[in-house]
Amino acid sequence: GQQLNQSPQSMFIQEGEDVSMNCTSSSIFNTWLWYKQDPGEGPVLLIALYKAGELTSNGRLTAQFGITRKDSFLNISASIPSDVGIYFCAGQESDGSSNTGKLIFGQGTTLQVKP
Amino acid sequence: DTGVSQNPRHKITKRGQNVTFRCDPISEHNRLYWYRQTLGQGPEFLTYFQNEAQLEKSRLLSDRFSAERPKGSFSTLEIQRTEQGDSAMYLCASSSRLAETYNEQFFGPGTRLTVL
Repeated sequence: GQQLNQSPQSMFIQEGEDVSMNCTSSSIFNTWLWYKQDPGEGPVLLIALYKAGELTSNGRLTAQFGITRKDSFLNISASIPSDVGIYFCAGQESDGSSNTGKLIFGQGTTLQVKP
Repeated sequence: DTGVSQNPRHKITKRGQNVTFRCDPISEHNRLYWYRQTLGQGPEFLTYFQNEAQLEKSRLLSDRFSAERPKGSFSTLEIQRTEQGDSAMYLCASSSRLAETYNEQFFGPGTRLTVL
């Protein structure tokens, strides 16, 4: 089945540093989403992207929908300790018909921030 | 303004028992989704409803699993004859009826199932 390749798998950075993570797929997606998940909780939606080339910011977070529609990246600027968590990309395949409803998730990037 | 709620938050059961989880979506959201997440992995899609109609089911949803949304509001997910491999976090999400945002799925806190 369809899989998303998310990298890096984990990151350990110093507070104040910028972070970048990305996601690639083998097929075209019509939507890319980025979520953050804390231990024992459900994923929280950070950013949604709908158009190829779209660049969207949410505070210190910036995400882009790749031109090929097969990739997306997320940047976090000036990281702080509360950025710690697991970040997931998720996407919906473009199947040429109506919305299927199913999101496909990456394997996650675990971010640790050292104060 | 309440988010998606799920009950129970934790469930420990013995192999072979039946379990049922409940999900209450965000008010006015007409789409409701179920996912399963195992340790170290991203959520995997199980099924989704638009109002009371179940529109898609994953092959992950074996015949021991059944989901309902009888009145188009809350949903239940039942697992019959549980197996140890069913141990996972079961996540529910909902999304708006608005076409421009119906891909934005908002998740509940999940139900952690442990099958002994």
